Amino acid sequence: SQQGEEDPQALSIQEGENATMNCSYKTSINNLQWYRQNSGRGLVHLILIRSNEREKHSGRLRVTLDTSKKSSSLLITASRAADTASYFCATDGVQGAQKLVFGQGTRLTINP
Amino acid sequence: NAGVTQTPKFQVLKTGQSMTLQCAQDMNHNSMYWYRQDPGMGLRLIYYSASEGTTDKGEVPNGYNVSRLNKREFSLRLESAAPSQTSVYFCASIGNNYGYTFGSGTRLTVV
Repeated sequence: SQQGEEDPQALSIQEGENATMNCSYKTSINNLQWYRQNSGRGLVHLILIRSNEREKHSGRLRVTLDTSKKSSSLLITASRAADTASYFCATDGVQGAQKLVFGQGTRLTINP
Repeated sequence: NAGVTQTPKFQVLKTGQSMTLQCAQDMNHNSMYWYRQDPGMGLRLIYYSASEGTTDKGEVPNGYNVSRLNKREFSLRLESAAPSQTSVYFCASIGNNYGYTFGSGTRLTVV
């Protein structure tokens, strides 16, 4: 079963705009991670936020986590054509073994 | 280059055939994973290995077996392929920062 549910399923914006993707999950977590997948490629780790953190930044990425609402958001600022990809959230549960459970992903298209 | 290497990249099987997907990592990671990705879905965990010598089932293990040959290598075997196993398979490993490193995937078609 999918732990993360992502919203929207697809997002199309103009280059230079900001893109926001949301993720909701069901059970308690140790951490939540975001990954990017370019078409036909493997996933690339973007950022990890721990359950005791509320916000984290990495370059043009900003991730927030609200454990009371079991939700997270990924903000990409000043989007570029190269940001076109699918973005997945993944949760690492509290029972250890570092088994990530992935959402279905958001397909982001940046239009030049 | 350091990372996760998967072979083959593409494979077509007939129903009932068997094959082994190979995965190797050179980052000295303890934990390794096999996921499958189907259209419109996220990744689903097939099997994982928390350390050399141990393997455990994930969410969708039926029809698969795995072998953790050593710390570097983690293989996935389909004993009798079925069309429902048509998918893209990803191997991953994890280091201390808790972020997975993924291979580039194996696109498998069962006809």
